[in-house]
Amino acid sequence: AQSVTQLDSQVPVFEEAPVELRCNYSSSVSVYLFWYVQYPNQGLQLLLKYLSGSTLVKGINGFEAEFNKSQTSFHLRKPSVHISDTAEYFCAVYGNKLVFGAGTILRVKS
Amino acid sequence: NAGVTQTPKFQVLKTGQSMTLQCAQDMNHNSMYWYRQDPGMGLRLIYYSASEGTTDKGEVPNGYNVSRLNKREFSLRLESAAPSQTSVYFCASSSGTSGDQGDEQYFGPGTRLTVT
Repeated sequence: AQSVTQLDSQVPVFEEAPVELRCNYSSSVSVYLFWYVQYPNQGLQLLLKYLSGSTLVKGINGFEAEFNKSQTSFHLRKPSVHISDTAEYFCAVYGNKLVFGAGTILRVKS
Repeated sequence: NAGVTQTPKFQVLKTGQSMTLQCAQDMNHNSMYWYRQDPGMGLRLIYYSASEGTTDKGEVPNGYNVSRLNKREFSLRLESAAPSQTSVYFCASSSGTSGDQGDEQYFGPGTRLTVT
């Protein structure tokens, strides 16, 4: 079985500041890892995914995430956020089924 | 190319009423999924279909039924709605042939359902 913990329910940040959204997981099998973004009143869309290979994964809109197997983490980062990044972000882990975290709301302030 | 479409966008039901949520995808995907999203709980899988003619239960199937009408369409039915089914419902699809949730999933815009 897998589980996902997103450590922050909300992250407020000023525009052009860096941000990190934290995700930890547990699994007894090898995993794929995903970050999805949900803009207000929309469905989810894939930001990035880790299947294998390089532990630093680059996604759309300038986001990146690093897979850390020893710490069982997959934190999402962006060096400079924009107002348009305001959304809810979901970490998800797939071992034998896909499990979503509870979500982190990123609020970018001007 | 519309992707994944869902109808209706909003619905209010009284306890005990029934309704069907419709979902269609135009990406020729094999697998389709129904999720519910509740505050603080992320998304939970209700049912999925790995291919036309097959359906399987997910994490929270009680109170729901599904039909994979053809490759494009996957409907979710609430036979006797309960207040606990108040939620936002998302349909998704992926190209994999085994209902493998490890493939990238494409989501519809959601249906916001309130049961009073």
